[in-house]
Amino acid sequence: DGGITQSPKYLFRKEGQNVTLSCEQNLNHDAMYWYRQDPGQGLRLIYYSQIVNDFQKGDIAEGYSVSREKKESFPLTVTSAQKNPTAFYLCASSKTGNSPLHFGNGTRLTVT
Amino acid sequence: AQSVTQLDSHVSVSEGTPVLLRCNYSSSYSPSLFWYVQHPNKGLQLLLKYTSAATLVKGINGFEAEFKKSETSFHLTKPSAHMSDAAEYFCTSGTYKYIFGTGTRLKVLA
Repeated sequence: DGGITQSPKYLFRKEGQNVTLSCEQNLNHDAMYWYRQDPGQGLRLIYYSQIVNDFQKGDIAEGYSVSREKKESFPLTVTSAQKNPTAFYLCASSKTGNSPLHFGNGTRLTVT
Repeated sequence: AQSVTQLDSHVSVSEGTPVLLRCNYSSSYSPSLFWYVQHPNKGLQLLLKYTSAATLVKGINGFEAEFKKSETSFHLTKPSAHMSDAAEYFCTSGTYKYIFGTGTRLKVLA
């Protein structure tokens, strides 16, 4: 079955370390997204990519970086510059810009 | 600027009674509108999508939503709640930069 795979499910890091979250999709979708979810705040867009080798900042891109070298993959790096990195991170994809989003099951990152 | 407002952060209903989760949107054009459901520690699953073809949209698990342009609303309803409906529900709108509401947590009482 097609879908989105995020790994790992849980991730623990020390403050000051960069960490990369993996997101892979086999839905042949052009667009991919990274969201951050905090309690009571809904989902906030970090970065999105409409096509391979192109990506745009979302509403809270500071302290994060992404790459889109392959259609299937959209890894997110949480850098040491991100002040409050502990959160639940969700990756999604869509066929076009107004198609429904398909979500992975998320990665819960804890930084201490 | 676009925005999505979910009017209730928490809703409690008894099993077998109707569910109403409210969502208002603001947009200068006819938006794409969606409802998603999220169970604990999981990703979001699409419940339904508004297309301009019909104002009453039927989704999965017995949910439906009605698009009312005059009220800029897209409320989610279900005639009879089931225990398995307990989850968080998100209304969203947009194109690429989808805007999410802050969510409504639905509690179903036995």
